[in-house]
Amino acid sequence: DIQMTQSPSSLSASEGDRVTITCRASQDIRNDLGWYQQTPGKAPKRLIFAAYILQSGVPSRFSGSGFGTEFTLTISSLQPEDLATYYCLQYNTFPLTFGGGTKVEI
Amino acid sequence: QVQLRQSGPGLVKPSQTLSVTCEISGDSVSSDTAGWNWIRQSPSRGLEWLGRTSYRSEWYNEYATSVKSRIDINTDTSHNQFSLQLYSVSPEDTAVYYCARDGSGGLSFDYWGQGILVAVSS
Repeated sequence: DIQMTQSPSSLSASEGDRVTITCRASQDIRNDLGWYQQTPGKAPKRLIFAAYILQSGVPSRFSGSGFGTEFTLTISSLQPEDLATYYCLQYNTFPLTFGGGTKVEI
Repeated sequence: QVQLRQSGPGLVKPSQTLSVTCEISGDSVSSDTAGWNWIRQSPSRGLEWLGRTSYRSEWYNEYATSVKSRIDINTDTSHNQFSLQLYSVSPEDTAVYYCARDGSGGLSFDYWGQGILVAVSS
């Protein structure tokens, strides 16, 4: 199984800060990576797929990059509504696997 | 607009079968461009993909290694729904269970059900 290592596991930042979350795959997954945002009591919501394509309706302050084994999610200017836990998902190879999550506090 | 609505019991006894159903609206379980997935989430295991079913002239299923020996995903085309059966459950199977579609953007999940908490306890 492909292991997805996400870091940091939590972070605290201020409104307006630039925030970066990293996901590392244990083997090459090309750009078959998605990023999800989850708030308490809700299902995860897709922010980005194919490593960098922004889901329709998602604010442009979210961006993704990377290819192969190293990926990043960036929030360019953190907003209060971005308080959530963020997960990466690799969908290159079955079984599909998630990262462990990054809890963002403001 | 695709909507997924889940139903099932909130409590299952150890060694019994966990069964959750996902009713689809706005798409078809027989779609040849979508896949239908089960995912669970618990504090100890995080988000864990369990399996997927898809129709490409015939039905294809994929399952997670961790549950492969005791899982089935079935489809009901007449009711446009799919279901998860997890056999011989233990308290470690206590989790929020989600259904989700992959239909745009490779196999990443674009639509999710609301989630259902299933506790395994005697």
